[in-house]
Amino acid sequence: DTGVSQDPRHKITKRGQNVTFRCDPISEHNRLYWYRQTLGQGPEFLTYFQNEAQLEKSRLLSDRFSAERPKGSFSTLEIQHTEQGDSAMYLCASSSTTAYGYTFGSGTRLTVV
Amino acid sequence: AQSVTQLDSQVPVFEEAPVELRCNYSSSVSVYLFWYVQYPNQGLQLLLKYLSGSTLVKGINGFEAEFNKSQTSFHLRKPSVHISDTAEYFCAVSEGGAQKLVFGQGTRLTINP
Repeated sequence: DTGVSQDPRHKITKRGQNVTFRCDPISEHNRLYWYRQTLGQGPEFLTYFQNEAQLEKSRLLSDRFSAERPKGSFSTLEIQHTEQGDSAMYLCASSSTTAYGYTFGSGTRLTVV
Repeated sequence: AQSVTQLDSQVPVFEEAPVELRCNYSSSVSVYLFWYVQYPNQGLQLLLKYLSGSTLVKGINGFEAEFNKSQTSFHLRKPSVHISDTAEYFCAVSEGGAQKLVFGQGTRLTINP
């Protein structure tokens, strides 16, 4: 068990470009979450999957954001037409059906210039 | 709607001194409560959680927290801190067994030698 893996660790992009992040959860975890954390703040919920089904999506998630988990394993988070306000740490976490409390990955830090 | 307030944004203490990090929440239903720790440029690590039962919960690294329903609090304590405890600490709540966590803004714990 290697924990939750996120790739890349850092991403610098120009405003208007599209970016995609990947998250590989712990293999036996069927729940996967995405959070966003800006400097000096706690993480904010973005979306949540159980297996391949996206069960909840925050109102924070504009139409420029889309997340998928096509086979119920890894997940991707795509941001289209990035804006400077998208600069943040994007955190992925996973959990099992029977246990409360997530395991977080190390995050992807996005900087939009 | 649920919310979490961490009453201190920064807490400086001397090494081997006791520490308490305060957390209050608001919710109209039963809650699960969590404390996470975040070291620089890393994801969050679960310290401890309260789901039910004994209101005093023990976690990793010598931390403990007490759930107080009447005061809607879940303060984190450690009797003697170490330099390695320097980190950001986040309190979080999930309402009614929901999967989504709502985080506080964090408390930066600084340990001085």
